[in-house]
Amino acid sequence: DAGVIQSPRHEVTEMGQEVTLRCKPISGHNSLFWYRQTMMRGLELLIYFNNNVPIDDSGMPEDRFSAKMPNASFSTLKIQPSEPRDSAVYFCASSSQGANSPLHFGNGTRLTVT
Amino acid sequence: AQTVTQSQPEMSVQEAETVTLSCTYDTSENNYYLFWYKQPPSRQMILVIRQEAYKQQNATENRFSVNFQKAAKSFSLKISDSQLGDTAMYFCAFMKQWGGGGADGLTFGKGTHLIIQP
Repeated sequence: DAGVIQSPRHEVTEMGQEVTLRCKPISGHNSLFWYRQTMMRGLELLIYFNNNVPIDDSGMPEDRFSAKMPNASFSTLKIQPSEPRDSAVYFCASSSQGANSPLHFGNGTRLTVT
Repeated sequence: AQTVTQSQPEMSVQEAETVTLSCTYDTSENNYYLFWYKQPPSRQMILVIRQEAYKQQNATENRFSVNFQKAAKSFSLKISDSQLGDTAMYFCAFMKQWGGGGADGLTFGKGTHLIIQP
């Protein structure tokens, strides 16, 4: 299996621009997670989906952030408009059914907003 | 809400030595799972080891083992015969059991930067 695939690997954009991060989970996994990693705050759970349905989005920092999962093989995290404080590494992870199933992470997208 | 605390921001040991990374957590849940993830400079998140809270036996994976003390809410990671490739950030993580046919999110500690010196 190819693992969790994220794109792009790096994104540099200017403040105010829209940013879309993409994720393809491992085939057969029914849970998908978006995390943000910064030096100050560590790894924060932003939102997660089970069977394509958002379960908990309490970690989404502001209305500027939105996430969708239109089907079992694709998810997006959108920031509109972006701000410099959004600069971070964004990880997508997926897991199979079962609460003890470990999360498999993608390689992350490093976002820089100037 | 759950919290995970890693009290050692950085550790450094010589190659071939044994090192123990500490982790404590706070939860009111009785059924949960604990994990250690490794993040090398490539930033990939790699699962090292996991422990089910209902199991008394400590998990082991080759050179990696844990000391799980449920009453003390402690979950330390021991790395034996450390190797240069073990240099990385190590994150302790907590997941509560979720019975909805899916998974719950992981709560991570802030991490320990482990450096293996040649």
